[in-house]
Amino acid sequence: QVQLQQSGPGLVTPSQTLSLTCVISGDSVSSNTVAWTWIRQSPSRGLEWLGMTYYRTTWYQEYAGSVKSRITINPDTSKNQFSLQLNSVTPEDSAVYYCARLQARTLHYWGQGTLVTVSS
Amino acid sequence: EIVLTQSPATLSVSPGETATLSCRASQSVSSSFLAWYQQKPGQAPRLLISNASNRATGIPDRFSGSGSGTEFTLTISSLQSEDFAIYYCHQYNNWPQGTFGQGTKLEIK
Repeated sequence: QVQLQQSGPGLVTPSQTLSLTCVISGDSVSSNTVAWTWIRQSPSRGLEWLGMTYYRTTWYQEYAGSVKSRITINPDTSKNQFSLQLNSVTPEDSAVYYCARLQARTLHYWGQGTLVTVSS
Repeated sequence: EIVLTQSPATLSVSPGETATLSCRASQSVSSSFLAWYQQKPGQAPRLLISNASNRATGIPDRFSGSGSGTEFTLTISSLQSEDFAIYYCHQYNNWPQGTFGQGTKLEIK
């Protein structure tokens, strides 16, 4: 059974960097049949795909246009996890952030969610 | 970007009855890339249906999905108390970015 465990701070100061980690159990971050994604949910934006990382003989990252200049998603094979960094945050980045596994273009497994508030 | 429009926004149905939820896409979506998720308060979304009509593991057969092209439907028969939640459709037709509908809240009548 695949499980995704998220961690990271729930409060981030405006203009700073939001950093979250998603630890994978029951699968490998290096699997060549899945992609590891970050999604956020807010009342104003609904469910919004942010980006992903995946391995297909080499590592790839894909990002949503709305955050492309500010986002980095990286795998960590030594810890079987992947991370999200979102720079220069504003209150509009306040949301519940989820990590999830994408397989056959379906999100089968989700992390528990992390409520992130951007506030001074 | 493909926009998914769900209707109605809120649906009030009595336990034991059938709920029919709609998801309309702004352009054609392959059935292979249309899914439905259920979300309860304080929880992550849970996969119900993939490939428009395939129930995920452990999902009761009172949940069924249908449709093709731009019109998709989630039907929940013999509604149970645990079925009252928010339901989202999701498409992944254009790699790498998928999009979600805005959700239908299913509430007890």
